[in-house]
Amino acid sequence: QSALTQPPSVSGSPGQSVTISCTGTSSDVGNYNRVSWYQQPPGTAPKVIIYEVSNRPSGVPDRFSGSKSGNTASLTISGLQAEDEADYYCCSSTDRATWVFGGGTKLTVL
Amino acid sequence: QVQLQESGPGLVRPSETLSLTCTVSGDSIITYYWSWIRQPAGKGLEWIGRIYDTGITHYNPSLNGRITLSVDRSTNQFSLKLTSVTAADTAVYYCARGPHYYGSVTWAFDIWGQGTTVTVS
Repeated sequence: QSALTQPPSVSGSPGQSVTISCTGTSSDVGNYNRVSWYQQPPGTAPKVIIYEVSNRPSGVPDRFSGSKSGNTASLTISGLQAEDEADYYCCSSTDRATWVFGGGTKLTVL
Repeated sequence: QVQLQESGPGLVRPSETLSLTCTVSGDSIITYYWSWIRQPAGKGLEWIGRIYDTGITHYNPSLNGRITLSVDRSTNQFSLKLTSVTAADTAVYYCARGPHYYGSVTWAFDIWGQGTTVTVS
């Protein structure tokens, strides 16, 4: 199965907003609302920050938001903070009852 | 709180079988799906497979039938076996809870182990 497509890197200044896209197909992102996003600071395990496209787990700041249109899901981080600098991954279920991740996006806070 | 801990050899010879175990503490392994995910150094995440406590499994088809997952309710552990390993299987291996349709965080990997590095050489 092919990885979902994410931009390799994005950047923004503190206080700004950035959006990370995650493009799949009609067999995964486009067919299910089972898209999740993970934040992974260097040297740590990933942590879920968005589930089912747009829901935030308890404790995740509302600066993080998710959405989906067709085969593309998006993660928006508003009011960027230095602590947001990390790798971000999207993930989706597929028609074959499997799960596929995106290639990851490195967020740099300038 | 629920915690996951991976364990197993850090070095595996090429063509041999990689075996890892994930110990779940703080909750029962029953009624959840449990997954393995790996990450080669400097690269992205790859889902390996998941297992339900009854033994139902789903595997990543790109791993060409080399995977076997198992669960042991008596010890609250689940395990991964990956056969015929090559250098391409060198990675940090994570165990995680989920995805499942119930709970406070649905259809996501909501709890992760710290990861264990496995080198094939």
